[in-house]
Amino acid sequence: QQQVKQSPQSLIVQKGGIPIINCAYENTAFDYFPWYQQFPGKGPALLIAIRPDVSEKKEGRFTISFNKSAKQFSLHIMDSQPGDSATYFCAARFSSGSARQLTFGSGTQLTVLP
Amino acid sequence: NAGVTQTPKFQVLKTGQSMTLQCAQDMNHEYMSWYRQDPGMGLRLIHYSVGAGITDQGEVPNGYNVSRSTTEDFPLRLLSAAPSQTSVYFCASSFGDSSTDTQYFGPGTRLTVL
Repeated sequence: QQQVKQSPQSLIVQKGGIPIINCAYENTAFDYFPWYQQFPGKGPALLIAIRPDVSEKKEGRFTISFNKSAKQFSLHIMDSQPGDSATYFCAARFSSGSARQLTFGSGTQLTVLP
Repeated sequence: NAGVTQTPKFQVLKTGQSMTLQCAQDMNHEYMSWYRQDPGMGLRLIHYSVGAGITDQGEVPNGYNVSRSTTEDFPLRLLSAAPSQTSVYFCASSFGDSSTDTQYFGPGTRLTVL
């Protein structure tokens, strides 16, 4: 059972556009919501993350919006650039004692056209 | 500081063969994890470890074994390879901090089982 649903599967925008990637989760026990960026042939790298007691977090051109009541969160990329072309994964963490497990969404392949 | 290293980068196996994927980190991280990445399915957790001598199963553990004899190393063993195990495998490590918990991923091993 997929606990984190991500959409869209792919996204194409022009340079300067604002792509938005959405994720929805089911488990209200998730306590940390990171976004990872992956370039072809590389491992994912943390981009930005948010905790459920915060509704928005900005880091540079990247913003996470978090809606706890709707169990949804999204990534916005302001003034997108061709170098932002990559696959983006949302994730949600479940913690139990010392154990921590991340559940990932299915990924969004973003293409930013010059 | 090499971060998270994985070997080999590519591997082709025949059905029924066994092999070990190596993972090492030099950041003194307590937490280490193995994921598999398949098209359209994001990253799925196979096994994880919260410290030397402690391992646990993730979402898709069948057909894989792990051990953690040192803080630095976390090998993944395929006991009897099957075509369904064709995938890209990523190892990750983190401090396991409750507030941030950034996972650092290795470059991946692309495995093909014929």
